[in-house]
Amino acid sequence: GNSVTQMEGPVTLSEEAFLTINCTYTATGYPSLFWYVQYPGEGLQLLLKATKADDKGSNKGFEATYRKETTSFHLEKGSVQVSDSAVYFCALSNTNAGKSTFGDGTTLTVKP
Amino acid sequence: DTGVSQDPRHKITKRGQNVTFRCDPISEHNRLYWYRQTLGQGPEFLTYFQNEAQLEKSRLLSDRFSAERPKGSFSTLEIQRTEQGDSAMYLCASSLVAGGVRYGYTFGSGTRLTVV
Repeated sequence: GNSVTQMEGPVTLSEEAFLTINCTYTATGYPSLFWYVQYPGEGLQLLLKATKADDKGSNKGFEATYRKETTSFHLEKGSVQVSDSAVYFCALSNTNAGKSTFGDGTTLTVKP
Repeated sequence: DTGVSQDPRHKITKRGQNVTFRCDPISEHNRLYWYRQTLGQGPEFLTYFQNEAQLEKSRLLSDRFSAERPKGSFSTLEIQRTEQGDSAMYLCASSLVAGGVRYGYTFGSGTRLTVV
């Protein structure tokens, strides 16, 4: 079956540092890949997505590239801010299937 | 549109009681999903609907759980004879699926269930 593995947290960075959160997946076929973010006290929000190999999703300065050869979808940001402190979830969905499979989340704390 | 609404936000119930949660999705979305999330874990799939049809239900879901989506609008999730292991955050999400493309979920804020 499908599975998503994220790097374990928590991750603590100083403001303006470079961020990478690793995500690898196992899936049949050609899934769509997503990153969701959950800010403190809020619900999950879609951050970015990619639907086919070599696509790059981007939003709010975050980027992730769909790498089929390494089955990865790592999240990156060049300069994090305190307001980026949140839990980040990687997820996949087979295009015509109903459900998504989520990783366990990575907690990011950015200190001033 | 105000997004996905869930009610109640919090529910405390005694073991053995029945509980029902409600979800109102984004009106333009044709799919509605229920997930369960426990501390330190990602959301776990429970069931989903396309319009009023329930298309898949997790094999991990016991027969104490039932979900409905009458007329393809709001949805309810009922848990009968609650157990302490049912304590979790219950998440509802909706999405648009068109032309085989998934547009990602819009989640509600969740209903936190505590079984005492």
